[in-house]
Amino acid sequence: QLQLQESGPGLVKPSETLSLICTVSGGSIKSGDSFWGWIRQPPGKGLEWIASIYFGGTTYYSPSLKSRVNISVDTSGNQFSLKLTSVTAADTAVYYCARSKNSIFGSWGQGALVTVSS
Amino acid sequence: EIVLTQSPGTLSLSPGERATLSCRASLSITTYLAWYQQKPGQAPRLLIYGASSRATGIPDRFSGSGSGTDFTLTISRLEPEDFAVYHCQQYGGAPFTFGGGTKVEIK
Repeated sequence: QLQLQESGPGLVKPSETLSLICTVSGGSIKSGDSFWGWIRQPPGKGLEWIASIYFGGTTYYSPSLKSRVNISVDTSGNQFSLKLTSVTAADTAVYYCARSKNSIFGSWGQGALVTVSS
Repeated sequence: EIVLTQSPGTLSLSPGERATLSCRASLSITTYLAWYQQKPGQAPRLLIYGASSRATGIPDRFSGSGSGTDFTLTISRLEPEDFAVYHCQQYGGAPFTFGGGTKVEIK
């Protein structure tokens, strides 16, 4: 059964870079029918799609975050990563990694709370 | 960017009652709509895709309908485990967007 697990610092200072890794197990990140994505949810609010990547390197970004976001894939480690630069308190959220097929998010990690605070 | 508006924000019902949740898109998305259930402290779980197809393992008391801009998620008879927040998501094209969610709470 496919499992995804987010990892990374739970606290990031304002203006610094948020970095998260999603480790995929129980399946290959090189699956031809899958994209891998990041979605976030500020406390008490709705879901926001951030970015998605195909193992071959094709990427899609939310226009509202595109200038600050980079998503990458490490096929040898069966992982993909998120970097969000110049963070502010508004970036405080639970960050989920997920697999999508046909742009439908069918498998999710448990989520990682990242707080932006000095 | 396609905006999804969910209503109502909160639905207060009793177990055994029928729940009807709405999701309206700002532009036509044909049937490129999914529904997710989220319980406190958990990740969302896919319920419905293609507006009306149930995901694997989802009970048949959950049903989806609609096309174009107006969509509905119906829970025919609420079970105790169905009290949660429900999100809709459009995937007609990037950027993929979600609605603000509807909380189904116990009356």
